[in-house]
Amino acid sequence: DIQMTQSPSSLSAPVGGRVTITCRASQDIGHSLAWYQQKPGKAPRLLMYGASILQSGVPSRLSGSGSGTDFTLTINSLQPEDVASYYCQNYRSADSIAFGQGTRLEIK
Amino acid sequence: QVQLVQSGADVKKPGASVKVSCKTFGYTFTDYYLHWLRQAPGQGLERVGRIYPKTGASDCPQKFRGRVTMTTNTSSGTAYMELTSLTPDDTAVYYCARDGTKWVNYFDPWGQGTLVTVSS
Repeated sequence: DIQMTQSPSSLSAPVGGRVTITCRASQDIGHSLAWYQQKPGKAPRLLMYGASILQSGVPSRLSGSGSGTDFTLTINSLQPEDVASYYCQNYRSADSIAFGQGTRLEIK
Repeated sequence: QVQLVQSGADVKKPGASVKVSCKTFGYTFTDYYLHWLRQAPGQGLERVGRIYPKTGASDCPQKFRGRVTMTTNTSSGTAYMELTSLTPDDTAVYYCARDGTKWVNYFDPWGQGTLVTVSS
């Protein structure tokens, strides 16, 4: 099984700041990595796929990078609406689908 | 606009079964895998399984085999997930979600979620 490890588990930053969340896969998954945002009481929302391709409607101050086993999600110019939990997901194959444990983002 | 609308919350006793529905709108139902995932209270996301409506073929992780049945009604564009032999550990919000792109297993969009509570 492919394990996905996210860090940190929680973080806070001021409005206008920049945050980076990392996600590490236990095996090479190429670019088969998606990021989701989940606000309390809501379903997850796809932010990006292919490690760095923004889904339609996602602001460009979010960006993703990485390949193989190491990936990052960066949010620039942090806004109050970015308060949420963020999850990475490997989709190399249906059998290997796995999520990171999540990162809770708060405004300082 | 692609949309997935799930059935309402349900409460079940241990040992019972639950069936959750997911009605789809805005796309050709038979062209995309439909996935089921769950999230226990305060926990992360877990895959329950998927079904390809065009053929009815389905698969799921080993931990759910023998307990989960996924079906579809292609005339109404509705998918169903039935989970049997429920225990309190099955208490979770269950989500349906479509393949974001055909044949690629990231998820977009998602249904609003269905809370299933298992309690005696």
